[in-house]
Amino acid sequence: ETGVTQTPRHLVMGMTNKKSLKCEQHLGHNAMYWYKQSAKKPLELMFVYSLEERVENNSVPSRFSPECPNSSHLFLHLHTLQPEDSALYLCASSSGTGGRTNEKLFFGSGTQLSVL
Amino acid sequence: KNQVEQSPQSLIILEGKNCTLQCNYTVSPFSNLRWYKQDTGRGPVSLTIMTFSENTKSNGRYTATLDADTKQSSLHITASQLSDSASYICVVSAITGGGNKLTFGTGTQLKVEL
Repeated sequence: ETGVTQTPRHLVMGMTNKKSLKCEQHLGHNAMYWYKQSAKKPLELMFVYSLEERVENNSVPSRFSPECPNSSHLFLHLHTLQPEDSALYLCASSSGTGGRTNEKLFFGSGTQLSVL
Repeated sequence: KNQVEQSPQSLIILEGKNCTLQCNYTVSPFSNLRWYKQDTGRGPVSLTIMTFSENTKSNGRYTATLDADTKQSSLHITASQLSDSASYICVVSAITGGGNKLTFGTGTQLKVEL
C-alpha cells in the first residue's frame, strides 16, 4: 500500500458518458499528479496540482477536466472521450513539485479505462 | 529533446539467475535518475534515486549504477525471484526554471520463470 488510493480500479464507458476518477492520498503531501499510461508508451504527465492550485497542464484536451478540492483529494472528470483515450490513468503525490532528489513520487494503482 | 531509452524491451530469465537492465538518456541539465518497479495492474513503486555524484545504489537485491559522463544507468537484479516479474521504468529528472521535469522511459518487461 503506497498511501495513494484510486477509484474505480476499472471503468468502461461510452463516448457520450460522463464519469469521474477519484484519487486520495494519506501521506500529507502537497502535490498531486495525473498521469496517462498507454501500452508501450512512456508515462505522460497530464496535470500537476501544488497546494490545490494547478501549476501545470500539458496541453491535455478539454474533455479531461481536473479538480483538486483540497491537498488530499484529486479528481479527473471525463466527458465525450474517444477510444484512443483508453489507457491506465495513474494518480501520484509527492512532498513538492520539483522532482528533486528527496521528492519521491508515490503512485496509486491506477484506473484502467476503456472507451467504447 | 530530452529522451530516455531502455533496453531490452522485454526479458525472460530463470528463477535464481541475475540480470541487468539498461537505461540511456539525453536529459539535461541532469538532476537525478530513478528506477521504478511496476507490477501488472499496479502503479510504479520507487526502487532507487541517484544524483550526479552517486555511482551505485542498492535496495536489497536491486543495484543501480549511474555513469553521468556517458549518460547511462543500469539496474542489476541478483538471484531473481518470481516476484521480480514486472516492468522496470527508468526516469530522469532535469533541472528547469519552473522546477524539475521528469522524463520516463518505456520500461523493460521482465518475466522470471521456474
